[in-house]
Amino acid sequence: DADVTQTPRNRITKTGKRIMLECSQTKGHDRMYWYRQDPGLGLRLIYYSFDVKDINKGEISDGYSVSRQAQAKFSLSLESAIPNQTALYFCATSATSGHNEQFFGPGTRLTVL
Amino acid sequence: SQKIEQNSEALNIQEGKTATLTCNYTNYSPAYLQWYRQDPGRGPVFLLLIRENEKEKRKERLKVTFDTTLKQSLFHITASQPADSATYLCARAPGSSNTGKLIFGQGTTLQVKP
Repeated sequence: DADVTQTPRNRITKTGKRIMLECSQTKGHDRMYWYRQDPGLGLRLIYYSFDVKDINKGEISDGYSVSRQAQAKFSLSLESAIPNQTALYFCATSATSGHNEQFFGPGTRLTVL
Repeated sequence: SQKIEQNSEALNIQEGKTATLTCNYTNYSPAYLQWYRQDPGRGPVFLLLIRENEKEKRKERLKVTFDTTLKQSLFHITASQPADSATYLCARAPGSSNTGKLIFGQGTTLQVKP
């Protein structure tokens, strides 16, 4: 079984719709992250959480919100989706100790029409 | 702001040759640099980490160097195979300490031809 899972894997939606992307992990890590990946721009950090009561904005948080429901669950919401949020979204986890090696989920491909 | 740059042009090499990918960073030397492999449609997979005080790190056919004078890390794959074809991402800690976040480069795509 995969250690980091994301649902849905693919989603097509329309402008203005609310979308939630979910992430679950069985690695027992406290730290969780949401990234988006666009061609030529690499991975950019949207939000991150170092424990259940901790939420931090990343590089590109505008238009997004997150919820850390439990140690194992971290969801990303787009309150009103717009076309330039079309991208590949990744969830990742890391342990508190060590040098922050990150473990990624399989990704969600989101298309906003 | 801290930046990390990789060659956006794809690297094409022949099977059996050594592939060398470059990662350059700006401003402060990071506490460590990490390298990941990403296959199309999949999430990145951690490969290697090298600390600021380490010159070189090896793992099987992989070798990573860290040159704080040049502000550069090199990633080598020796005896390359077609299965090594993928995009390779370099990542750094934002500053000179371990804060838990990473800044990723845009990645370099490697194509190994049989």
